[in-house]
Amino acid sequence: AQSVTQLDSHVSVSEGTPVLLRCNYSSSYSPSLFWYVQHPNKGLQLLLKYTSAATLVKGINGFEAEFKKSETSFHLTKPSAHMSDAAEYFCVVIFKGYQKVTFGTGTKLQVIP
Amino acid sequence: GAVVSQHPSRVICKSGTSVKIECRSLDFQATTMFWYRQFPKQSLMLMATSNEGSKATYEQGVEKDKFLINHASLTLSTLTVTSAHPEDSSFYICSAKWGTSGGAGTDTQYFGPGTRLTVL
Repeated sequence: AQSVTQLDSHVSVSEGTPVLLRCNYSSSYSPSLFWYVQHPNKGLQLLLKYTSAATLVKGINGFEAEFKKSETSFHLTKPSAHMSDAAEYFCVVIFKGYQKVTFGTGTKLQVIP
Repeated sequence: GAVVSQHPSRVICKSGTSVKIECRSLDFQATTMFWYRQFPKQSLMLMATSNEGSKATYEQGVEKDKFLINHASLTLSTLTVTSAHPEDSSFYICSAKWGTSGGAGTDTQYFGPGTRLTVL
């Protein structure tokens, strides 16, 4: 069965420190992987996506993610957190062959001044 | 590019009335649009998938007669919540993508800003 797991429901970091938001998936199919950010009462904004090109993907606002097939992971990172990064982050996977979109449960990022 | 709008952003209605939410792709033609529902502090739940010119495909447990979806053009899809009740209060988000499935770069969904529905 296909599934997406965001290991942390909440992550708290100090401003200026690195951010790591974890995402793992399980599938026997090659996936397309996305990270979206949602600010309160807003829609989702695409941060970055992996679609079988380079395994290290750079996105907007200084975020990047690395696809590791051996670990079935697609963790989101940022070297230095900014207050404006405080939001909810969703890992989204499309399992090719099924074309079914699966959302992770979300990780709420808190940035402490 | 790839901007999706929703209207209205907020709506409050009385129980028993119907509410229509519009989703528009502003700078691309959306062959497929999706409607999601999001409860507080939860992830998005896919309600239905609609392809332009054909009937929507509803997810299991979603009442098609209650949540009417129309995708009459390549830039507009509407969701009508019929005979709304307080339990229908939620955040409704649409998304859109272009191209056919399996093509490079066509899996990306672009999301609207959402519509907050409150049924009194």
